[in-house]
Amino acid sequence: DGGITQSPKYLFRKEGQNVTLSCEQNLNHDAMYWYRQDPGQGLRLIYYSQIVNDFQKGDIAEGYSVSREKKESFPLTVTSAQKNPTAFYLCASRGRVGGYPSDTQYFGPGTRLTVL
Amino acid sequence: DQQVKQNSPSLSVQEGRISILNCDYTNSMFDYFLWYKKYPAEGPTFLISISSIKDKNEDGRFTVFLNKSAKHLSLHIVPSQPGDSAVYFCAASGGSQGNLIFGKGTKLSVKP
Repeated sequence: DGGITQSPKYLFRKEGQNVTLSCEQNLNHDAMYWYRQDPGQGLRLIYYSQIVNDFQKGDIAEGYSVSREKKESFPLTVTSAQKNPTAFYLCASRGRVGGYPSDTQYFGPGTRLTVL
Repeated sequence: DQQVKQNSPSLSVQEGRISILNCDYTNSMFDYFLWYKKYPAEGPTFLISISSIKDKNEDGRFTVFLNKSAKHLSLHIVPSQPGDSAVYFCAASGGSQGNLIFGKGTKLSVKP
């Protein structure tokens, strides 16, 4: 059963701590993405990776870091430098699924991060 | 400046009737457009898409129309069902990176 998994579903962090959000896909997609959603807002791009061992900053990369050591995995670290880390974080991969073009992105279930 | 705009934050429709969600874009380089459906605290689900070489794409109850000259697309849901109640995001892409630009979403409520 192909798809994207994110863990955990809910995450709590104390101010000043770094935290890493997991994202795994078994769709064999090369490209993966991290977005952030805030209430009443669309999805904003944090980081993306077109291929293993390569990644690029998105529109709001400050305070975040990523790695892409394996095709299946694209973890996101929210550092203490991120000023407003409380948000809903979404991971996606891009590629061909069924009859739709390879430009289509497919999303995981999301992780809700709350900073206490 | 927003490149993809969904000007209606919310829409309420009676069950069985048509729901029409609208989306405008400004960048003429966009060549692929997508609609996603999202429930609270869940990831967006891909619904339907359209390439800029087409003006209509249909999948069951969902039809997307693209008017390139007006830089406008719309999603039609017929007939609307209570389970369609969700936030719908329009997205567009163009260029080799394949990055998507999202609108802010429209919350659809389908009343029984």
